Amino acid sequence: DVKVTQSSRYLVKRTGEKVFLECVQDMDHENMFWYRQDPGLGLRLIYFSYDVKMKEKGDIPEGYSVSREKKERFSLILESASTNQTSMYLCASSLNADTQYFGPGTRLTVL
Amino acid sequence: AQSVTQLDSHVSVSEGTPVLLRCNYSSSYSPSLFWYVQHPNKGLQLLLKYTSAATLVKGINGFEAEFKKSETSFHLTKPSAHMSDAAEYFCVVSNDYKLSFGAGTTVTVRA
Repeated sequence: DVKVTQSSRYLVKRTGEKVFLECVQDMDHENMFWYRQDPGLGLRLIYFSYDVKMKEKGDIPEGYSVSREKKERFSLILESASTNQTSMYLCASSLNADTQYFGPGTRLTVL
Repeated sequence: AQSVTQLDSHVSVSEGTPVLLRCNYSSSYSPSLFWYVQHPNKGLQLLLKYTSAATLVKGINGFEAEFKKSETSFHLTKPSAHMSDAAEYFCVVSNDYKLSFGAGTTVTVRA
Protein backbone atom coordinates (compact mmCIF):
# COMPACT_ATOMS: atom_id res chain seq x y z
CA ASP A 1 0.00 0.00 0.00
CA VAL A 2 1.04 3.52 -0.73
CA LYS A 3 1.74 5.52 2.36
CA VAL A 4 1.77 9.29 2.43
CA THR A 5 2.58 10.89 5.77
CA GLN A 6 2.42 14.49 6.89
CA SER A 7 4.52 15.84 9.72
CA SER A 8 1.72 17.27 11.84
CA ARG A 9 -2.03 16.66 12.14
CA TYR A 10 -2.67 19.97 13.87
CA LEU A 11 -0.59 23.14 13.89
CA VAL A 12 -1.17 26.55 15.42
CA LYS A 13 0.99 29.49 14.31
CA ARG A 14 0.96 33.26 14.70
CA THR A 15 0.60 35.81 11.91
CA GLY A 16 3.95 36.53 10.27
CA GLU A 17 5.61 33.27 11.30
CA LYS A 18 7.36 31.09 8.74
CA VAL A 19 5.64 27.71 8.54
CA PHE A 20 6.93 24.44 7.12
CA LEU A 21 4.60 21.55 6.27
CA GLU A 22 6.35 18.31 5.42
CA CYS A 23 5.11 15.39 3.34
CA VAL A 24 6.80 12.04 2.77
CA GLN A 25 5.76 9.17 0.48
CA ASP A 26 7.24 5.70 0.50
CA MET A 27 6.36 4.41 -2.99
CA ASP A 28 8.99 6.10 -5.15
CA HIS A 29 6.34 8.23 -6.87
CA GLU A 30 7.50 10.85 -9.35
CA ASN A 31 4.73 13.34 -8.68
CA MET A 32 3.77 15.09 -5.48
CA PHE A 33 1.10 17.68 -4.80
CA TRP A 34 -0.02 20.17 -2.17
CA TYR A 35 -3.70 21.15 -1.84
CA ARG A 36 -5.70 23.21 0.57
CA GLN A 37 -9.22 22.20 1.50
CA ASP A 38 -11.85 24.72 2.57
CA PRO A 39 -15.57 24.09 3.24
CA GLY A 40 -17.67 24.41 0.11
CA LEU A 41 -14.63 24.82 -2.15
CA GLY A 42 -13.35 21.25 -2.39
CA LEU A 43 -9.60 20.89 -2.83
CA ARG A 44 -7.53 23.49 -4.63
CA LEU A 45 -4.06 22.82 -5.97
CA ILE A 46 -1.30 25.03 -4.56
CA TYR A 47 1.83 23.53 -6.14
CA PHE A 48 2.98 20.27 -7.59
CA SER A 49 6.29 18.66 -8.46
CA TYR A 50 6.98 16.05 -11.13
CA ASP A 51 10.62 15.45 -10.24
CA VAL A 52 13.29 16.35 -7.73
CA LYS A 53 13.97 20.11 -7.72
CA MET A 54 11.12 20.66 -10.20
CA LYS A 55 7.95 22.54 -9.29
CA GLU A 56 4.90 23.94 -11.00
CA LYS A 57 2.35 26.46 -9.75
CA GLY A 58 -1.15 25.23 -9.23
CA ASP A 59 -4.31 27.30 -9.05
CA ILE A 60 -3.56 29.23 -5.86
CA PRO A 61 0.22 29.55 -5.35
CA GLU A 62 0.23 33.08 -3.91
CA GLY A 63 1.71 33.22 -0.42
CA TYR A 64 3.25 29.75 -0.69
CA SER A 65 6.47 28.17 -1.90
CA VAL A 66 7.66 24.57 -2.10
CA SER A 67 10.83 22.54 -1.94
CA ARG A 68 11.64 19.10 -3.28
CA GLU A 69 15.24 18.17 -2.56
CA LYS A 70 14.60 14.42 -2.37
CA LYS A 71 12.17 12.31 -4.34
CA GLU A 72 10.24 11.11 -1.31
CA ARG A 73 9.81 14.50 0.39
CA PHE A 74 7.82 17.58 -0.63
CA SER A 75 7.66 20.60 1.64
CA LEU A 76 5.16 23.45 1.62
CA ILE A 77 6.39 26.76 3.00
CA LEU A 78 4.37 29.73 4.16
CA GLU A 79 6.94 32.52 4.21
CA SER A 80 4.82 34.81 6.39
CA ALA A 81 1.65 33.15 7.61
CA SER A 82 -1.59 35.09 7.45
CA THR A 83 -5.01 34.37 8.94
CA ASN A 84 -6.48 33.63 5.49
CA GLN A 85 -4.11 30.67 5.26
CA THR A 86 -5.95 28.92 8.07
CA SER A 87 -7.06 25.73 6.35
CA MET A 88 -6.65 21.99 5.97
CA TYR A 89 -3.58 21.13 3.89
CA LEU A 90 -3.42 17.84 2.05
CA CYS A 91 -0.42 16.27 0.37
CA ALA A 92 -0.70 13.65 -2.39
CA SER A 93 1.57 11.59 -4.59
CA SER A 94 1.15 9.66 -7.85
CA LEU A 95 3.23 7.42 -10.04
CA ASN A 96 1.96 8.82 -13.32
CA ALA A 97 -0.87 11.03 -14.54
CA ASP A 98 -3.39 8.90 -12.74
CA THR A 99 -4.53 8.06 -9.24
CA GLN A 100 -3.30 10.33 -6.49
CA TYR A 101 -2.82 9.00 -2.97
CA PHE A 102 -3.44 11.38 -0.12
CA GLY A 103 -1.97 11.91 3.30
CA PRO A 104 -4.12 12.45 6.41
CA GLY A 105 -3.89 16.23 6.24
CA THR A 106 -2.58 19.02 8.46
CA ARG A 107 -5.09 21.39 9.99
CA LEU A 108 -3.30 24.74 10.26
CA THR A 109 -4.65 27.60 12.33
CA VAL A 110 -3.02 31.02 12.01
CA LEU A 111 -3.84 33.38 14.85
CA ALA B 1 -10.36 23.72 -19.18
CA GLN B 2 -12.09 21.23 -16.95
CA SER B 3 -14.49 21.48 -14.05
CA VAL B 4 -16.76 19.41 -11.87
CA THR B 5 -20.17 20.22 -10.41
CA GLN B 6 -21.57 18.16 -7.58
CA LEU B 7 -25.27 18.83 -7.68
CA ASP B 8 -26.00 18.23 -3.99
CA SER B 9 -24.01 19.70 -1.13
CA HIS B 10 -25.75 17.41 1.36
CA VAL B 11 -27.59 14.10 1.07
CA SER B 12 -29.42 12.38 3.92
CA VAL B 13 -30.54 8.75 3.67
CA SER B 14 -31.86 6.05 5.96
CA GLU B 15 -29.70 3.03 6.65
CA GLY B 16 -30.47 0.27 4.14
CA THR B 17 -31.82 2.62 1.44
CA PRO B 18 -30.08 3.55 -1.82
CA VAL B 19 -27.59 6.39 -2.09
CA LEU B 20 -27.23 8.60 -5.17
CA LEU B 21 -24.57 11.31 -5.43
CA ARG B 22 -24.73 13.35 -8.60
CA CYS B 23 -21.76 14.70 -10.53
CA ASN B 24 -21.48 16.54 -13.84
CA TYR B 25 -18.18 17.37 -15.46
CA SER B 26 -16.80 19.41 -18.31
CA SER B 27 -13.55 18.61 -20.06
CA SER B 28 -11.90 19.44 -23.36
CA TYR B 29 -10.43 15.97 -23.64
CA SER B 30 -11.40 12.43 -22.77
CA PRO B 31 -11.12 12.64 -19.03
CA SER B 32 -10.32 10.29 -16.23
CA LEU B 33 -12.93 10.52 -13.49
CA PHE B 34 -12.68 9.59 -9.84
CA TRP B 35 -14.73 9.46 -6.69
CA TYR B 36 -12.92 9.95 -3.39
CA VAL B 37 -14.34 9.66 0.12
CA GLN B 38 -13.19 11.53 3.21
CA HIS B 39 -14.25 10.38 6.64
CA PRO B 40 -14.07 12.91 9.50
CA ASN B 41 -10.50 13.92 10.32
CA LYS B 42 -9.09 11.57 7.70
CA GLY B 43 -7.36 11.95 4.35
CA LEU B 44 -9.03 11.18 1.03
CA GLN B 45 -9.50 7.57 0.02
CA LEU B 46 -10.06 6.47 -3.57
CA LEU B 47 -13.47 4.83 -4.07
CA LEU B 48 -13.29 4.18 -7.80
CA LYS B 49 -12.00 5.54 -11.10
CA TYR B 50 -13.04 5.63 -14.74
CA THR B 51 -10.34 5.63 -17.41
CA SER B 52 -12.20 4.97 -20.71
CA ALA B 53 -12.73 1.26 -20.25
CA ALA B 54 -16.12 -0.03 -19.06
CA THR B 55 -18.66 2.74 -18.47
CA LEU B 56 -19.96 1.10 -15.30
CA VAL B 57 -17.23 1.18 -12.71
CA LYS B 58 -17.30 -0.80 -9.48
CA GLY B 59 -15.45 0.47 -6.47
CA ILE B 60 -14.84 -0.40 -2.86
CA ASN B 61 -17.51 -0.82 -0.17
CA GLY B 62 -20.29 -1.59 -2.66
CA PHE B 63 -20.17 1.72 -4.53
CA GLU B 64 -20.39 2.02 -8.28
CA ALA B 65 -20.54 4.84 -10.81
CA GLU B 66 -21.70 5.10 -14.40
CA PHE B 67 -19.95 7.26 -16.98
CA LYS B 68 -22.44 8.83 -19.41
CA LYS B 69 -20.67 10.84 -22.06
CA SER B 70 -23.88 12.16 -23.63
CA GLU B 71 -24.94 13.62 -20.28
CA THR B 72 -21.40 14.48 -19.10
CA SER B 73 -22.27 12.77 -15.84
CA PHE B 74 -20.55 10.39 -13.45
CA HIS B 75 -23.07 9.68 -10.69
CA LEU B 76 -22.13 7.53 -7.69
CA THR B 77 -24.57 4.98 -6.29
CA LYS B 78 -24.84 2.34 -3.61
CA PRO B 79 -27.88 0.08 -3.30
CA SER B 80 -27.97 -0.02 0.50
CA ALA B 81 -26.44 2.62 2.76
CA HIS B 82 -24.55 1.69 5.89
CA MET B 83 -23.84 3.89 8.89
CA SER B 84 -20.15 3.78 8.02
CA ASP B 85 -20.90 5.52 4.68
CA ALA B 86 -21.41 8.81 6.51
CA ALA B 87 -18.63 10.97 5.07
CA GLU B 88 -17.85 13.62 2.48
CA TYR B 89 -17.57 12.52 -1.15
CA PHE B 90 -15.66 14.27 -3.90
CA CYS B 91 -16.07 13.86 -7.64
CA VAL B 92 -12.83 14.57 -9.50
CA VAL B 93 -11.89 15.02 -13.16
CA SER B 94 -8.33 14.57 -14.37
CA ASN B 95 -6.51 15.62 -17.48
CA ASP B 96 -2.84 14.68 -17.34
CA TYR B 97 -1.53 15.59 -13.88
CA LYS B 98 -4.13 18.13 -12.93
CA LEU B 99 -7.10 17.13 -10.80
CA SER B 100 -10.17 19.33 -10.52
CA PHE B 101 -12.36 18.67 -7.50
CA GLY B 102 -16.02 19.22 -6.97
CA ALA B 103 -17.11 21.10 -3.85
CA GLY B 104 -18.07 17.86 -2.14
CA THR B 105 -21.27 16.14 -0.98
CA THR B 106 -21.76 15.37 2.70
CA VAL B 107 -23.67 12.15 3.30
CA THR B 108 -25.62 11.62 6.51
CA VAL B 109 -27.03 8.17 7.29
CA ARG B 110 -30.00 7.93 9.64
CA ALA B 111 -30.50 4.83 11.76
